[in-house]
Amino acid sequence: DTAVSQTPKYLVTQMGNDKSIKCEQNLGHDTMYWYKQDSKKFLKIMFSYNNKELIINETVPNRFSPKSPDKAHLNLHINSLELGDSAVYFCASSHGTHSPLHFGNGTRLTVT
Amino acid sequence: DQQVKQNSPSLSVQEGRISILNCDYTNSMFDYFLWYKKYPAEGPTFLISISSIKDKNEDGRFTVFLNKSAKHLSLHIVPSQPGDSAVYFCAASGPSGTYKYIFGTGTRLKVLA
Repeated sequence: DTAVSQTPKYLVTQMGNDKSIKCEQNLGHDTMYWYKQDSKKFLKIMFSYNNKELIINETVPNRFSPKSPDKAHLNLHINSLELGDSAVYFCASSHGTHSPLHFGNGTRLTVT
Repeated sequence: DQQVKQNSPSLSVQEGRISILNCDYTNSMFDYFLWYKKYPAEGPTFLISISSIKDKNEDGRFTVFLNKSAKHLSLHIVPSQPGDSAVYFCAASGPSGTYKYIFGTGTRLKVLA
């Protein structure tokens, strides 16, 4: 009965590869997010979708492309992976604004 | 430009005593604030929130205080328990209608038995 689930939990890949991270929420929320936690432990927002519509797109390289096939899913595809992409990526969801974010357990991406 | 700051990277407290975690923000448009707890290899877990129309919100052992004039909020945990040992993040959002949540850098709390 996991509320926000992400797969995979760990992802190790080589520079230049393309990879995807999947996220699903069963909370009935209308808004989903991708956050990145870097080596300094900052949690920075990358993207947000509300009802499948992109509403936040922070200054993220266009190698990162989110896709929301429906309200319950938000996937993150990363092209041409670079060493600096190594981080923990968290998916989250919320019920509109001014309500708590519910996070998944993260995907630790390591680019070698 | 870090709009939400937690200036103490770590804090140690004896079991049973009060833990006070602090957070400062710079954007006066923020009107909704949250605290999260994070264990290693897990996602942040929501603890408690407060709207800018209030100055205090309580939930069991957790109380959040908001001082709008000082742009400061704090989380009090009383009594502290060893299971509270984790990294605590504050977050802020606003103005109303904004979906963006800005997180602080976290404070690692260690509760000593």
